[in-house]
Amino acid sequence: QQPVQSPQAVILREGEDAVINCSSSKALYSVHWYRQKHGEAPVFLMILLKGGEQKGHEKISASFNEKKQQSSLYLTASQLSYSGTYFCGTEQETSGSRLTFGEGTQLTVNP
Amino acid sequence: GAGVSQSPSNKVTEKGKDVELRCDPISGHTALYWYRQSLGQGLEFLIYFQGNSAPDKSGLPSDRFSAERTGGSVSTLTIQRTQQEDSAVYLCASSVRTRNTQYFGPGTRLTVL
Repeated sequence: QQPVQSPQAVILREGEDAVINCSSSKALYSVHWYRQKHGEAPVFLMILLKGGEQKGHEKISASFNEKKQQSSLYLTASQLSYSGTYFCGTEQETSGSRLTFGEGTQLTVNP
Repeated sequence: GAGVSQSPSNKVTEKGKDVELRCDPISGHTALYWYRQSLGQGLEFLIYFQGNSAPDKSGLPSDRFSAERTGGSVSTLTIQRTQQEDSAVYLCASSVRTRNTQYFGPGTRLTVL
C-alpha cells in the first residue's frame, strides 16, 4: 500500500519554512526520506525507526508518529539547494525491508 | 567503491529484445534492491537480495523480469522481450543490511522503441 504524501507541490521563497507529510495505512517499522533532483538519483536525508527519536540535522528534521503511522519532514529557513522532489519510503512491519514510496512532493525554492 | 554504480547509464532497445542492467553495490553491503521509476512517478519496488537468503521477488511485474546476484555482490536485472511500458529509470540501492539506510545508484535509463 503506497503511502500518501502531501502536499503534491509547494513553492517557497528562500528563507521560508515547509512541512511535508507522509501517511500510511499499514503498521510501519521505519520511514525513510529522500530528495531527488531532476535527472539524478534519490539522495538519502534521514531514517526514522519505530520507537526511535525525532531526527534532524541543520535545518531539516523529521518526526514519526507511530500511533498514526504518519511522518513529517520539516524544512526551515529554506535554501535554493533544497529544491527537488521529496519522497518518503515506508518499511512495513511485516513486509521485510523493501521500501514503498509515495508519489513525491515537488519543492521549489525561489530567490 | 565510493558508492553504488550502475551500467549502462542509458540503454535504447527495440521492442522484443532482451536487456541486462548491472549494479555494483557499495563494498560490504549485504542487501541489494532494485526499483524502477517511470517518468514523473515515484519509485516502484522490484526485488531485493539479502546475503544468501532467497530474494524477495514480490515486486517483479511479470515473468519477463528476473534478477540474480552473484557472489553476494554484483547484481544483474534482466528484462526479456522488452515492451514499451518497460521504459523507465531502473535504480539499484544497497544497504549494510536489511532494515537500514538504502543508498541509490545513478540509475539506468531504459528506452524501448
